Amino acid sequence: GNSVTQMEGPVTLSEEAFLTINCTYTATGYPSLFWYVQYPGEGLQLLLKATKADDKGSNKGFEATYRKETTSFHLEKGSVQVSDSAVYFCALSVMDSNYQLIWGAGTKLIIKP
Amino acid sequence: NAGVTQTPKFQVLKTGQSMTLQCAQDMNHNSMYWYRQDPGMGLRLIYYSASEGTTDKGEVPNGYNVSRLNKREFSLRLESAAPSQTSVYFCASKSLKVSGNTIYFGEGSWLTVV
Repeated sequence: GNSVTQMEGPVTLSEEAFLTINCTYTATGYPSLFWYVQYPGEGLQLLLKATKADDKGSNKGFEATYRKETTSFHLEKGSVQVSDSAVYFCALSVMDSNYQLIWGAGTKLIIKP
Repeated sequence: NAGVTQTPKFQVLKTGQSMTLQCAQDMNHNSMYWYRQDPGMGLRLIYYSASEGTTDKGEVPNGYNVSRLNKREFSLRLESAAPSQTSVYFCASKSLKVSGNTIYFGEGSWLTVV
């Protein structure tokens, strides 16, 4: 079946630290991969996406590369800010699930000044 | 630039009461979704509607009903609320049945059942 596994949180970092949030997936076919972000008290927003192998999605200093060989889509940022504190969700979409999104459990990120 | 609008934002219900969460999107999307979000469990799909006039069960449909009133609106009803339905509910919509298309979310509805 299709599933997404992401690292458990919370992840606590100091400002300007390097961030990696791991996401791995299992999927039949060729999924599209997404990272969504949820800031405190708000809904979810698309952060970045990649629709085929070796694509790199990027936005707001965050990057993730679609790695088919390792079935991974790890989220990275070179220097985090306090304003990046949020919950980050990895998700995939495949044709055989009617293009519904399959979600990871979310990783809470806390950035300390 | 409304996007996906859901109401109410906050609601407290007593066990056994009923209520309807309303959702509307102005992006002419075919597909609409209702999710619930619980700590440590991520987003779980309650019901979805692939197009106007159709609805299907998701992962956790028990205790809920939905209505796709028209292309814009997709409501979620709790007929007899239970404390286990205390959660944050998100409505979402997406355009075509294409894998890479973005799903857009409402701001969420915080529901507490006491």
